[in-house]
Amino acid sequence: DAMVIQNPRYQVTQFGKPVTLSCSQTLNHNVMYWYQQKSSQAPKLLFHYYDKDFNNEADTPDNFQSRRPNTSFCFLDIRSPGLGDAAMYLCATSRAGFGTEAFFGQGTRLTVV
Amino acid sequence: TQLLEQSPQFLSIQEGENLTVYCNSSSVFSSLQWYRQEPGEGPVLLVTVVTGGEVKKLKRLTFQFGDARKDSSLHITAAQPGDTGLYLCAGAMNTNAGKSTFGDGTTLTVKP
Repeated sequence: DAMVIQNPRYQVTQFGKPVTLSCSQTLNHNVMYWYQQKSSQAPKLLFHYYDKDFNNEADTPDNFQSRRPNTSFCFLDIRSPGLGDAAMYLCATSRAGFGTEAFFGQGTRLTVV
Repeated sequence: TQLLEQSPQFLSIQEGENLTVYCNSSSVFSSLQWYRQEPGEGPVLLVTVVTGGEVKKLKRLTFQFGDARKDSSLHITAAQPGDTGLYLCAGAMNTNAGKSTFGDGTTLTVKP
């Protein structure tokens, strides 16, 4: 059974039209992450939540925002998608501490037209 | 500056060959993970190593953590087409609560 679920698997949005990607988890992990991954590259961390504490990476554009209304759900909001934002977006969870193992969802492939 | 460097970046081999992928850093990690990612899917955790010099085996895969906990290697014996994918190492430092740093990845293609 999937433990980290991302919806939708594929999302097509128009240039400049706000879009929201969602992630839910059944692991009760306290840390949730959002990564952006472009073709054949490593995932790039955008931000993460440690419980309710939001941690933004220094180079994450303001165009990307996130919400975590409760332990199980986390959302990625892209306010004005550009062509360069087309990528795979990965959500992951972990139980913070010694040996930080991440459990990833299947990802959402975002296309901007 | 990339904290974790993986080599090689791309590797294409024939079925049955052996290979080694390296993950190197100048920083010390409290733990290091290896993941495999297939096209269109999220990364899947293969192993975590936490002790310097530790060796772990997962069927035909052998993982080693360097004595100084700055580097790691993944060795695959008798590679199969099903091993094809992007291999990622990720290191966690105690000072980064709940956060790991990923290497650039090694794209492995095993041809039948």
